[in-house]
Amino acid sequence: KQEVTQIPAALSVPEGENLVLNCSFTDSAIYNLQWFRQDPGKGLTSLLLIQSSQREQTSGRLNASLDKSSGRSTLYIAASQPGDSATYLCAVRGGADGLTFGKGTHLIIQP
Amino acid sequence: DTAVSQTPKYLVTQMGNDKSIKCEQNLGHDTMYWYKQDSKKFLKIMFSYNNKELIINETVPNRFSPKSPDKAHLNLHINSLELGDSAVYFCASLGKDYIQYFGAGTRLSVL
Repeated sequence: KQEVTQIPAALSVPEGENLVLNCSFTDSAIYNLQWFRQDPGKGLTSLLLIQSSQREQTSGRLNASLDKSSGRSTLYIAASQPGDSATYLCAVRGGADGLTFGKGTHLIIQP
Repeated sequence: DTAVSQTPKYLVTQMGNDKSIKCEQNLGHDTMYWYKQDSKKFLKIMFSYNNKELIINETVPNRFSPKSPDKAHLNLHINSLELGDSAVYFCASLGKDYIQYFGAGTRLSVL
């Protein structure tokens, strides 16, 4: 059964720093991996999706990488801003349609 | 013009009651999902429907019954509500871009 782990569980950094969020999964037979952002009391917003055949995706200050064989993904956030404060969720899509989520990284960017 | 909309946003009810949560997507997607986010913020898939047919039914008590009257709607009916059902329930749909689009969530509190 697929398990997704995110490290660290929480992270607090000063504004302007570059940071890396880590995600690992136990079963490498995935279709894709998706990074989401969740703000308090809100739904999930998709940030980046990486297909299993891809190595990375970029959107603005965000870059996500995927190493399927080792079961790892990273989300790199450049020049962090207070507005980046949120919980970041990693999720993988395996044989079935549904996503398996990690427990998230709670990120605080200090002004 | 919300893509995936859920109603109600909040639901407070007594143990033993029966309640429904509605979900509608106007994106033309064929596949829809229900996820549960527990008090520790962990998201788990409950059901997946493709074109009104059940695809995934995770280990969910049979007090939970999804109903899809058409491919744009996936409603969740819950019988005999228990304290442990308190959570945030998210509806999502799957785009042709393989991205899952989430609703804003329904916060259910069982007293």
